[in-house]
Amino acid sequence: GAGVSQSPSNKVTEKGKDVELRCDPISGHTALYWYRQSLGQGLEFLIYFQGNSAPDKSGLPSDRFSAERTGGSVSTLTIQRTQQEDSAVYLCASSLGVSGETQYFGPGTRLLVL
Amino acid sequence: RKEVEQDPGPFNVPEGATVAFNCTYSNSASQSFFWYRQDCRKEPKLLMSVYSSGNEDGRFTAQLNRASQYISLLIRDSKLSDSATYLCVVNIANTGRRALTFGSGTRLQVQP
Repeated sequence: GAGVSQSPSNKVTEKGKDVELRCDPISGHTALYWYRQSLGQGLEFLIYFQGNSAPDKSGLPSDRFSAERTGGSVSTLTIQRTQQEDSAVYLCASSLGVSGETQYFGPGTRLLVL
Repeated sequence: RKEVEQDPGPFNVPEGATVAFNCTYSNSASQSFFWYRQDCRKEPKLLMSVYSSGNEDGRFTAQLNRASQYISLLIRDSKLSDSATYLCVVNIANTGRRALTFGSGTRLQVQP
């Protein structure tokens, strides 16, 4: 079946511009996560959505970062006024969110801020 | 101190070798443990969950030591295709969320 999809796969932007990253989770998965991975580093948790509950935003690094999940499915991560340190791979994952903990990752969006 | 710590490596081993990675975690409330594999420029993929009694999947064996708060992964008869970064992953229960905490990974390079 279809896995987690993300778009765009690559994004180059200029410092100060806003970017939107999209994630389409596996159908039926109620939990959705955003992570960030800088070059040669581990994954950094950003935000978590579970069903209709309020999202856990505890990992967002600054108020320039925000995310939405519409209709319990597709999610958009928005970075406003991008900075060079925002350059990273942004990974989305989804899971059943009930008893299973296994998370399935999308291919990521590689963001480069010039 | 990092919540999940791993030796970054790289571990360079010949084909057929046995190699072991360890990982330590700091939060004793951690409930779930996993090893993920990440190939270069690819997303992480679940390799195996780690159970308290230890578990095996083919050439891979995972062990958990709650008392010492470490997890191990043993790979027997290494293949070239095992070359990747292995991520130790923990679900820390008392954070109130189901997100995972990832170690920075241990890089394995299997050589012919």
